[in-house]
Amino acid sequence: EAEVAQSPRYKITEKSQAVAFWCDPISGHATLYWYRQILGQGPELLVQFQDESVVDDSQLPKDRFSAERLKGVDSTLKIQPAELGDSAMYLCASSLDRDYEQYFGPGTRLTVT
Amino acid sequence: QKEVEQNSGPLSVPEGAIASLNCTYSDRVSQSFFWYRQYSGKSPELIMSIYSNGDKEDGRFTAQLNKASQYVSLLIRDSQPSDSATYLCAVSSNRDDKIIFGKGTRLHILP
Repeated sequence: EAEVAQSPRYKITEKSQAVAFWCDPISGHATLYWYRQILGQGPELLVQFQDESVVDDSQLPKDRFSAERLKGVDSTLKIQPAELGDSAMYLCASSLDRDYEQYFGPGTRLTVT
Repeated sequence: QKEVEQNSGPLSVPEGAIASLNCTYSDRVSQSFFWYRQYSGKSPELIMSIYSNGDKEDGRFTAQLNKASQYVSLLIRDSQPSDSATYLCAVSSNRDDKIIFGKGTRLHILP
């Protein structure tokens, strides 16, 4: 069964350091999403790609966060510099196209110390 | 501001009973509705999607949609301890294809 892959699964970093997360969506899925989830809350969309183009990054803190999906397949989310408030689960999801069911990867648990 | 509202719970249900989870949404042009299950420390897992008014059944799960009342629910029949999890409701609109998640309802099945 096809799955969304993410790495690393866990990351501990110090404040002001840079950190990067990688996501490989299900093959053939045009739409890729990055979410941040804080304990007790629902996932919050950070950025949405349609193929290689960003279609929504309105909630992405652009002063420190960046995301790319250069060839329309896998994607990287970067934080530089990390802050204590960035500690959360970072989830990647993909869907066949917009408005279709999203399938989530296992997530990356980030702890900033 | 589009919103998706869920009771945070916890909702406690005896094993074998029916668990009923509710979700309301604010955007009248919402067209697609999804239920996800999330175990503690894990990522959300898609349970069901529903797009038209009425009921949709899949095994022990039934999703119910009422667009006039802006209400979607998930029923879990013959609840099992393994159903104990947080259930997330997600709603998307054809207006902008943006999916909004609720905060989730914690469900606890009592053995």
